[in-house]
Order: sequence, then C-alpha cells, then structure tokens
Amino acid sequence: DAMVIQNPRYQVTQFGKPVTLSCSQTLNHNVMYWYQQKSSQAPKLLFHYYDKDFNNEADTPDNFQSRRPNTSFCFLDIRSPGLGDAAMYLCATSRELGGVDTQYFGPGTRLTVL
Amino acid sequence: GENVEQHPSTLSVQEGDSAVIKCTYSDSASNYFPWYKQELGKRPQLIIDIRSNVGEKKDQRIAVTLNKTAKHFSLHITETQPEDSAVYFCAAYSGGSNYKLTFGKGTLLTVNP
Repeated sequence: DAMVIQNPRYQVTQFGKPVTLSCSQTLNHNVMYWYQQKSSQAPKLLFHYYDKDFNNEADTPDNFQSRRPNTSFCFLDIRSPGLGDAAMYLCATSRELGGVDTQYFGPGTRLTVL
Repeated sequence: GENVEQHPSTLSVQEGDSAVIKCTYSDSASNYFPWYKQELGKRPQLIIDIRSNVGEKKDQRIAVTLNKTAKHFSLHITETQPEDSAVYFCAAYSGGSNYKLTFGKGTLLTVNP
C-alpha cells in the first residue's frame, strides 16, 4: 500500500555522469515536490509541480531539472553530478498547495557520486 | 521568506521522562505547522500538525502547542520510549504565494532505556 514510491533506493554515479531519479504516487495528488537532504540537515526544497506547472526555487542550481509526464510520475534529472550533490533525495506529494494539506514523503533515493 | 529556528539540536532523556522541542518562526502569515519524525535512513513521517486557528492539539503521548503572538510552537512527548529516538523536524507553511514548507534544522532525540 505504498503511496509515494521512489526508485532506485540507492544510486551510484560517476562525477559528471547524468542521472535520473524517479518518483511515483498512488494518491492522485496535484502537487509533487523534490527535496535534497544532506547528512544531519533539514530537507531543502528544490522545486515542485502543481499539476503541470513547474516552480523552481531561486537557489536551485541549473544542474537540477525535473519532468512530470503525468499525474503519477515525476523525475529528477541531475545533468552533471558533482561531489557536492551526494545526498538523499526525497520526493513528496500533497493534494493542494497553501498549507491546506499534509505533505507525504517517499522513502528517498540515496545518491553517491564517485 | 520564512525562517524557522529549532532548539535544542540534540536532546537526551531517560525512558519515561518527557521531551520538549521548541521552534520559532518569522513570517506572521504562516498558518500550518507540521512536525515530522525521521528515523535513521528513513523518510520523514508526519506525527502531528497544528493550524493557526488552534492553540493546542494532542494525540496520545504527543502534543503540540502554538503561540501565534510570540510566533513559536512546541512539541511535547510524554512517557518517552526508546522507539521515540529519532530526528524531529518542525516546519512552517507560509501564507501568500510562497507555497512551501520551511523546515527547522532538526532535533536528535535519544531516549535511554
């Protein structure tokens, strides 16, 4: 009965080699978020989609891109991973924006950059 | 933008004692305050939340209080158990067009048997 699913759970890539992380949801929520969480730190929002509308945080590097081909799926593309991009990447969903609804997190993908 | 401060960064208690974690926020328009528990290597999970029209909310051993005037909110865990050991994050959801949660830096709670 998993609601927010992330694949893979662990990803190892080489410095500069593009990588794509996947998130899917069975909740039919309008909003999907991508967070980056480094060790012993709070999750940091990278961007979110409200339906097909993409909203990028001002301090999200250009190296990070996202796609949402349909309601259920959202992808995080890292075009040229650097050592500083090693982190846990969390996907989350909510029914609506504006603090009306809770955000539900997926289990995360731990990215290692060699 | 919103700024959330969380204290303490680490908290160690004996099993059965109470634990209190405090957060302050800066944006008076913030209207929703969730608390997440994150065990090592796992996803953040919502444990309790409170909205700005309520001063206190309780769910079994967990309670949250909100003081809108002072712009602070607190998590209270009573009769702590070893399985309560985790990192706890407070967050605030800003009003207006800034549609995002701002998280505190987290509190590592250790409950010693």
